[in-house]
Amino acid sequence: AQKVTQAQTEISVVEKEDVTLDCVYETRDTTYYLFWYKQPPSGELVFLIRRNSFDEQNEISGRYSWNFQKSTSSFNFTITASQVVDSAVYFCALRGNTGTASKLTFGTGTRLQVTL
Amino acid sequence: KAGVTQTPRYLIKTRGQQVTLSCSPISGHRSVSWYQQTPGQGLQFLFEYFSETQRNKGNFPGRFSGRQFSNSRSEMNVSTLELGDSALYLCASSLAAGIMGYTFGSGTRLTVV
Repeated sequence: AQKVTQAQTEISVVEKEDVTLDCVYETRDTTYYLFWYKQPPSGELVFLIRRNSFDEQNEISGRYSWNFQKSTSSFNFTITASQVVDSAVYFCALRGNTGTASKLTFGTGTRLQVTL
Repeated sequence: KAGVTQTPRYLIKTRGQQVTLSCSPISGHRSVSWYQQTPGQGLQFLFEYFSETQRNKGNFPGRFSGRQFSNSRSEMNVSTLELGDSALYLCASSLAAGIMGYTFGSGTRLTVV
């Protein structure tokens, strides 16, 4: 069975602070895909990044960066110099490669509140 | 290009009624998945359709059903609505069974009273 754990329910930071959102996953598949999505109040899930299990290279996109470590089954997300517009709920998700592979298993989400 | 379109955006129904939600995927995407989001259970997979065939189904009662048409548009139906069916229903489309990622619609917020 697949499982994604986001232990941080809610995080509050002041604008310009850096913040890291944690994601730990469990899967028996050797090939799998990890995702981060942002959900603003409007409800739509906005795709942020995809990472496959064979690519452990960290990625940076503007103020966003992701740290994928297979040894600890973690896929953490860091926002540098946070802004008010970053306030949203962030979900980490896992797609396996066997059985009901094409479904996404989501974590419970981390609500990020960025204040001035 | 147009994103994933879900209609209606909001819906209020009475217990015992049935409801049909619609999802139009991104042009060229043949895979459509449905998810239910509630405060208590989070985001849960309902089912996935590919080329008009249901490929996967989540752990939901038979009151939840869906279908996909030849133009890849999908509908999901919930019969005999219960209060617990109140949720945000999200549709996602993908090009390659989700390997490259899923694009979600804005969802349909269903309230059962």
